[in-house]
Amino acid sequence: GDSVTQMEGPVTLSEEAFLTINCTYTATGYPSLFWYVQYPGEGLQLLLKATKADDKGSNKGFEATYRKETTSFHLEKGSVQVSDSAVYFCALSMDFGNEKLTFGTGTRLTIIP
Amino acid sequence: GAGVSQSPSNKVTEKGKDVELRCDPISGHTALYWYRQSLGQGLEFLIYFQGNSAPDKSGLPSDRFSAERTGGSVSTLTIQRTQQEDSAVYLCASSLVLGEQFFGPGTRLTVL
Repeated sequence: GDSVTQMEGPVTLSEEAFLTINCTYTATGYPSLFWYVQYPGEGLQLLLKATKADDKGSNKGFEATYRKETTSFHLEKGSVQVSDSAVYFCALSMDFGNEKLTFGTGTRLTIIP
Repeated sequence: GAGVSQSPSNKVTEKGKDVELRCDPISGHTALYWYRQSLGQGLEFLIYFQGNSAPDKSGLPSDRFSAERTGGSVSTLTIQRTQQEDSAVYLCASSLVLGEQFFGPGTRLTVL
């Protein structure tokens, strides 16, 4: 079945460091890809998405590019802040009209000042 | 309300009891999803409702789990004869058709 493999955490970085969280997927067709974020004490929220190959999703300084050739959707940010500390989930959805999400295991990110 | 709400926020129950979890989606959202977040299984899909169509129940882990959505709005997830492995955070999300899913804060279920 469809699946998402995500970089294991936890990840600890200093403020202003460069961030990459790896995500690869397995799917029988052409999924839509997402990054969700869960800040401490808050609910899951969509960070960014891409719906077709070579699309780049971006939000709050984060970016991810849909790479069909490597079946990847890695999350990057050039300069992280303490406020970026959260758990990040990569996810995909397959069916047009039923967008149930298949999630990766999540990566806990901690930024230290 | 502005967002998806869920109740109760926390539920502690004894093994073998039945529980009901409630989700109030964003007004006007026709799609509603239930997910479960647990330490052992991560985030997993349970069930999906869209308008008057038959729900997609493919993620329900056993026949002890059921859900309904009344009047195309409020949804209730029922777990019968709860087991310790049912302990998890149960998340509800709603969306417009093909739109972003907005998640509620979840119900933390603890089965003793």
